Amino acid sequence: DTEVTQTPKHLVMGMTNKKSLKCEQHMGHRAMYWYKQKAKKPPELMFVYSYEKLSINESVPSRFSPECPNSSLLNLHLHALQPEDSALYLCASSQGPQSSNQPQHFGDGTRLSIL
Amino acid sequence: ILNVEQSPQSLHVQEGDSTNFTCSFPSSNFYALHWYRWETAKSPEALFVMTLNGDEKKKGRISATLNTKEGYSYLYIKGSQPEDSATYLCAFRGGSEKLVFGKGTKLTVNP
Repeated sequence: DTEVTQTPKHLVMGMTNKKSLKCEQHMGHRAMYWYKQKAKKPPELMFVYSYEKLSINESVPSRFSPECPNSSLLNLHLHALQPEDSALYLCASSQGPQSSNQPQHFGDGTRLSIL
Repeated sequence: ILNVEQSPQSLHVQEGDSTNFTCSFPSSNFYALHWYRWETAKSPEALFVMTLNGDEKKKGRISATLNTKEGYSYLYIKGSQPEDSATYLCAFRGGSEKLVFGKGTKLTVNP
């Protein structure tokens, strides 16, 4: 069982809907990440939070809005998404942003479909 | 643009065979090289994080080597089992917190 929990596992939404993806970890990790993964492609980094502050935004469109309410939680708010945003969204965490020798721990992902 | 390449893209082996695959990455500004194992319908699972040139790491039947000067890492699986079937991803970390993933090698072990 993964120690990073993502909800929901599956989400189908229309282009005008507003929804949120949630990610939770209780390992005391201080860095958390959102990735987007499309079929037959590698996971692509979207956002990094370090000590609850946004440290990297990989030029992600504003229809994706991340939020880190506390050190254990990471949300991704979705609004006015496009069909090409359909993908697997993975959350990950690691001990600390400067710990280069520490792995990232991944959740199972949310499979998102935009109608 | 950072380029992380993995080969082969896919591999079919028989149970008991030993196999290996390659990850190539930029040789400059190196911080770490990660290997992950990703089974279908599960989350990616960390295998190794390698930071030093010449590093060799081992976990059961799986081992990995690292050459940062020439920018490659090999992952070896000895005596493959059907449960080793998965996609093996490598990821390069340069000077920032960002991990850049390769496309992965999909391994299928036939019983």
